[in-house]
Amino acid sequence: AQSVAQPEDQVNVAEGNPLTVKCTYSVSGNPYLFWYVQYPNRGLQFLLKYITGDNLVKGSYGFEAEFNKSQTSFHLKKPSALVSDSALYFCAVKPGGSYIPTFGRGTSLIVHP
Amino acid sequence: EAQVTQNPRYLITVTGKKLTVTCSQNMNHEYMSWYRQDPGLGLRQIYYSMNVEVTDKGDVPEGYKVSRKEKRNFPLILESPSPNQTSLYFCASSLGGEQYFGPGTRLTVT
Repeated sequence: AQSVAQPEDQVNVAEGNPLTVKCTYSVSGNPYLFWYVQYPNRGLQFLLKYITGDNLVKGSYGFEAEFNKSQTSFHLKKPSALVSDSALYFCAVKPGGSYIPTFGRGTSLIVHP
Repeated sequence: EAQVTQNPRYLITVTGKKLTVTCSQNMNHEYMSWYRQDPGLGLRQIYYSMNVEVTDKGDVPEGYKVSRKEKRNFPLILESPSPNQTSLYFCASSLGGEQYFGPGTRLTVT
């Protein structure tokens, strides 16, 4: 069975500072990894994905994530946080060839002015 | 505009009164799914469908039904809602990779 862990319920960072939102996973076979963002009163929006290739993937709004196979991690990063980045972030994983993703519990990112 | 729509967006109902939440996508996606979002639990999949007339249970299917008679529509049916089904529901569609989510339906069962 696949699983996703987001070890931090909340991450606080000052505007302009780099941010990291952590995600580790467990899955059989090659993983498809995703990050989504949810703004208040909105549905989830796709940010980026890793399927194969370069371990560093770039996505929307200046976010990037690094796939680390040995540590089974897929941390979300941004070099300089904005107040408008404050939202709920979800990591998700599914095995290649499967239609069934598993989501983490979400991490609330708060960027302080 | 490519989108997933859900209706209604908000619904307050009473225990036992059957209801349907509609979901429609205009992207010709084969895969559609329903999730519920509860505080501290993240998103949990209720049902999914890989194509017309093909549906399967997700992690928390009890108390829910779905149908997929057309590719674009995937309604969620609660035949006898109970208070523990009070939640925020999301429909999503996909070609097999990233998912596109609807705006959500906030359901309250009293």
